[in-house]
Amino acid sequence: EVQLVESGGGLVQPGGSLRLSCAVSGFAFSNYWMSWVRQAPGKGLEWVANIWKDGSEIYYVDSVKGRFTISRDNAKNTLYLQMNSLRAEDTAVYYCARVDGIPSTGIWWLDPWGQGTLVTVSS
Amino acid sequence: EVVLTQSPATLSLSPGERATLSCRASQGISSTYLGWYQQRPGQPPRLLIYAASSRATGIPDRFSGGGSGTDFTLTISRLEPEDSAVYYCHQYSGSPWTFGQGTKVEIK
Repeated sequence: EVQLVESGGGLVQPGGSLRLSCAVSGFAFSNYWMSWVRQAPGKGLEWVANIWKDGSEIYYVDSVKGRFTISRDNAKNTLYLQMNSLRAEDTAVYYCARVDGIPSTGIWWLDPWGQGTLVTVSS
Repeated sequence: EVVLTQSPATLSLSPGERATLSCRASQGISSTYLGWYQQRPGQPPRLLIYAASSRATGIPDRFSGGGSGTDFTLTISRLEPEDSAVYYCHQYSGSPWTFGQGTKVEIK
């Protein structure tokens, strides 16, 4: 069974840091792009970052560039999101998701998703 | 950045009725690069449709997608109670990937 389990969320003060983890099982982690997507309370989905299979390509949404770092450890089947200089507007449930698709066509999708971990930035 | 605008914000229909959800892109995108997700309350999103019209594995055939250019639609042909959820369109034509703001489907 394919599983993605996020951890590391919690309450942090503005300006603080947090590292999220996403432990995966049930598929060959090193063969897939991975993604972080967040959802502020009562709001819609916002894509945060993508990382290539070996970490050689990384993309971020502008609002987190320079503050967040996506990384992966293929030996540990784990995806990470290091979040620094946190702001109130970063408060959200953070989901990790596997990026799957048909690379030769440019078709991609996010499936499956983890259950998410809540990050609350507040003093 | 491609902005996706979904309408209506909320759709309230009875079981068995047809639901048509709209997703409009701020610039033309290939239908190859448009997907749809369903999010039930308290759950993570679930892939429904990729490449505008291809159903994901295990998705009932009452869900269908279509459209091209700037206008895309998700149709639920015969609503069932478990279809009560928020539906998001998603484009991956370039970075940043973006989502629409969602359409909430309520079953009366």
